[in-house]
Amino acid sequence: AQSVTQPDIHITVSEGASLELRCNYSYGATPYLFWYVQSPGQGLQLLLKYFSGDTLVQGIKGFEAEFKRSQSSFNLRKPSVHWSDAAEYFCAVGARTGANNLFFGTGTRLTVIP
Amino acid sequence: EAQVTQNPRYLITVTGKKLTVTCSQNMNHEYMSWYRQDPGLGLRQIYYSMNVEVTDKGDVPEGYKVSRKEKRNFPLILESPSPNQTSLYFCASSEGQGRSSYNSPLHFGNGTRLTVT
Repeated sequence: AQSVTQPDIHITVSEGASLELRCNYSYGATPYLFWYVQSPGQGLQLLLKYFSGDTLVQGIKGFEAEFKRSQSSFNLRKPSVHWSDAAEYFCAVGARTGANNLFFGTGTRLTVIP
Repeated sequence: EAQVTQNPRYLITVTGKKLTVTCSQNMNHEYMSWYRQDPGLGLRQIYYSMNVEVTDKGDVPEGYKVSRKEKRNFPLILESPSPNQTSLYFCASSEGQGRSSYNSPLHFGNGTRLTVT
């Protein structure tokens, strides 16, 4: 069975600083990997996804993530954080089955200080 | 505007009083799913539906029911709510035709915060 670990519950960064959110997964084969963002009072919005091919994927809002098979990781990065990036971020892994079932990590809350 | 609409946004009820949370999507998506979000646990899948009249259990289905009589609607039913079902609930949908549904990103509603006293 697949699982996802987000080791950082809460991260605080200064506006303009770089950001890296960690995600480690467990899955017996090459997974589908996703990052979602949840703003307060909102549902989840897809930031980016990895299915195959280039291991560095670009997403919306200037985010990118890199799939590293050897480390079972899919870390999310942004070179310069904006105050509007404050939110909760979820990494998810999808099994290569027909049920579109995603397993979510427990989330990382990002606080941005001016 | 393409969206997933959940109602109500907030609901406070008492133990044992049946309730339904509605979910509707206007994107003609085949796949729909319900999740609950709890602090420290992330999102866990309750039920999902691959198409009309096709539903299946997710990871935490106990105490919940669903139905998919129409493509656009996927209500979540709590026949006898209990305090441990106090949570934030999300409905989601995606394109997909059977086995290819995993290629499609999920579109989420804005959530329903349920409190059971």
